[in-house]
Amino acid sequence: ETGVTQSPTHLIKTRGQQVTLRCSSQSGHNTVSWYQQALGQGPQFIFQYYREEENGRGNFPPRFSGLQFPNYSSELNVNALELDDSALYLCASSRARDGLSNYGYTFGSGTRLTVV
Amino acid sequence: AQSVTQLGSHVSVSEGALVLLRCNYSSSVPPYLFWYVQYPNQGLQLLLKYTSAATLVKGINGFEAEFKKSETSFHLTKPSAHMSDAAEYFCAASSGSSNTGKLIFGQGTTLQVKP
Repeated sequence: ETGVTQSPTHLIKTRGQQVTLRCSSQSGHNTVSWYQQALGQGPQFIFQYYREEENGRGNFPPRFSGLQFPNYSSELNVNALELDDSALYLCASSRARDGLSNYGYTFGSGTRLTVV
Repeated sequence: AQSVTQLGSHVSVSEGALVLLRCNYSSSVPPYLFWYVQYPNQGLQLLLKYTSAATLVKGINGFEAEFKKSETSFHLTKPSAHMSDAAEYFCAASSGSSNTGKLIFGQGTTLQVKP
């Protein structure tokens, strides 16, 4: 298995701009979740996609949006960037719809976003 | 709402000493519980998970955790610390009651291992 790959690894954006982060999951992983990890904090759930449809969302505003594609890749889009959006963004994928079976979640190494 | 609390943001042990990282959860039903490790500039690696089977869960790298419902705890232990164990550790819970399986993470505990 190739694991979960995220790109880019680091990114610097200006407040008000838009950003797209990308994630490539393992073949057969129909579920992808995105998490935001602020410095010194635990990851926070943004949303989850299953077979290209959003099936769960955390407490994040609508300017955080996502897409999942049939080729097991996905995107996290953030509009109107704010300084507080600076964080490590983690992608996690799973074969199981809820990620709680023996398969569990496989996490990527993340994208470090800095908003200035 | 479900929450996870990790007691102690920093834990320092000597190499060869017992490692104990504390985690308490708040949930009306026994959740799924996990411990993850994060090395610098890397993602999260699963150490072990509890899914309502045996209360003592063994994981990778010699770590284990015990689920205690009466104490709502899921503490992580390792009998003998190794220098390579120095990292950030996260406890996480999932209710399993929805289709998302979203994970609720604690704030994390930084483990320092002194030679």
